Amino acid sequence: DVKVTQSSRYLVKRTGEKVFLECVQDMDHENMFWYRQDPGLGLRLIYFSYDVKMKEKGDIPEGYSVSREKKERFSLILESASTNQTSMYLCASKASGYYEQYFGPGTRLTVT
Amino acid sequence: AQSVTQLGSHVSVSEGALVLLRCNYSSSVPPYLFWYVQYPNQGLQLLLKYTSAATLVKGINGFEAEFKKSETSFHLTKPSAHMSDAAEYFCAVTFHGSSNTGKLIFGQGTTLQVKP
Repeated sequence: DVKVTQSSRYLVKRTGEKVFLECVQDMDHENMFWYRQDPGLGLRLIYFSYDVKMKEKGDIPEGYSVSREKKERFSLILESASTNQTSMYLCASKASGYYEQYFGPGTRLTVT
Repeated sequence: AQSVTQLGSHVSVSEGALVLLRCNYSSSVPPYLFWYVQYPNQGLQLLLKYTSAATLVKGINGFEAEFKKSETSFHLTKPSAHMSDAAEYFCAVTFHGSSNTGKLIFGQGTTLQVKP
């Protein structure tokens, strides 16, 4: 089974802090994704990566950056956290040539 | 541009009743369609997928969905609801040829409540 893990299930940070969310997958997948989930809005794509050191902006990249130094790990960075970034963050991965994505358990981030 | 609309943000059924969650898509190219389920405080789990093979797709936990091109729909059904089916359900679309990047577009989600 594909396993996608995220470093924290719950996280509380203060406004202005730098925040790192980590995601690791164990299936050698080429593609990895970061989404945020808000009530009534579904999932919105922040960034994705189709290879090591490669990244592309999704639909809502403002206020976020990402890093992919190793194939199995994809990090989401909030350079200066703000209260409007309070949300559930979901990481996903998939193999190139396939369409279904596999999700981690999510990180519920609260910025106060 | 592709989009997904889930009709009804909340659906309530009695245990043992038919479950019907509606999803309509918009795509100018052949779509691939997915249903995911999210239990409270968990990530998304793939229920089933349509990738241009059979139009009636069976998934896990007794769910199935039918791709109807003429109606641009991919509704999710289950003949008899269980209490354990209470969760949020997401419909998602991508398109043929996107497998190298594989961006999925999600609907807004439908929360299924099952009453005893």
